[in-house]
Amino acid sequence: AQSVAQPEDQVNVAEGNPLTVKCTYSVSGNPYLFWYVQYPNRGLQFLLKYITGDNLVKGSYGFEAEFNKSQTSFHLKKPSALVSDSALYFCAVRDPYNTDKLIFGTGTRLQVFP
Amino acid sequence: NAGVTQTPKFQVLKTGQSMTLQCAQDMNHNSMYWYRQDPGMGLRLIYYSASEGTTDKGEVPNGYNVSRLNKREFSLRLESAAPSQTSVYFCASSEEESYPYGYTFGSGTRLTVV
Repeated sequence: AQSVAQPEDQVNVAEGNPLTVKCTYSVSGNPYLFWYVQYPNRGLQFLLKYITGDNLVKGSYGFEAEFNKSQTSFHLKKPSALVSDSALYFCAVRDPYNTDKLIFGTGTRLQVFP
Repeated sequence: NAGVTQTPKFQVLKTGQSMTLQCAQDMNHNSMYWYRQDPGMGLRLIYYSASEGTTDKGEVPNGYNVSRLNKREFSLRLESAAPSQTSVYFCASSEEESYPYGYTFGSGTRLTVV
């Protein structure tokens, strides 16, 4: 069965420092991978995706993520964090040969301090 | 350009009461989903509908029913609310042609059962 894990409940980083939010996955085929962000009292917003091709994908608001097949990971990164990046981040996975549903991780709260 | 619209935004129910959460999308998407979001558990799929006239159970369907009224609308019904159903509920939609962008989410319904 497909699954996704976000091992950190919260990540704290100072403004201007690089940030990483971790995600690992388990699927039987080649995965479709997504990152979403949720601001307080809002729905989830799409950040970026990996479907195929270049392992480094770039998304909204300066975020990027690296697909690593050998480590089954898809970590979210940003070179320089902003206070406004503080939010809840969800990783999601879809096995294109098994189901058309997205499976979400438990979420990681990112706190960026001034 | 409304996207996915959920009503109501907030609701308080007494144990045993019933209610229907409404969801409508204006993007002509075939697939629609209902998730619940609970602290530490991420998003869990309740029901989904791959196309008009079809519905399927997700991970946590007990205590819920759904209706895909037409292509635009997908409602979630609680027949006899229980405190365990206190949660934030999100509706989402997707279309295979635009699938690489994942799901479009509504802004959520915050439900409290007392």
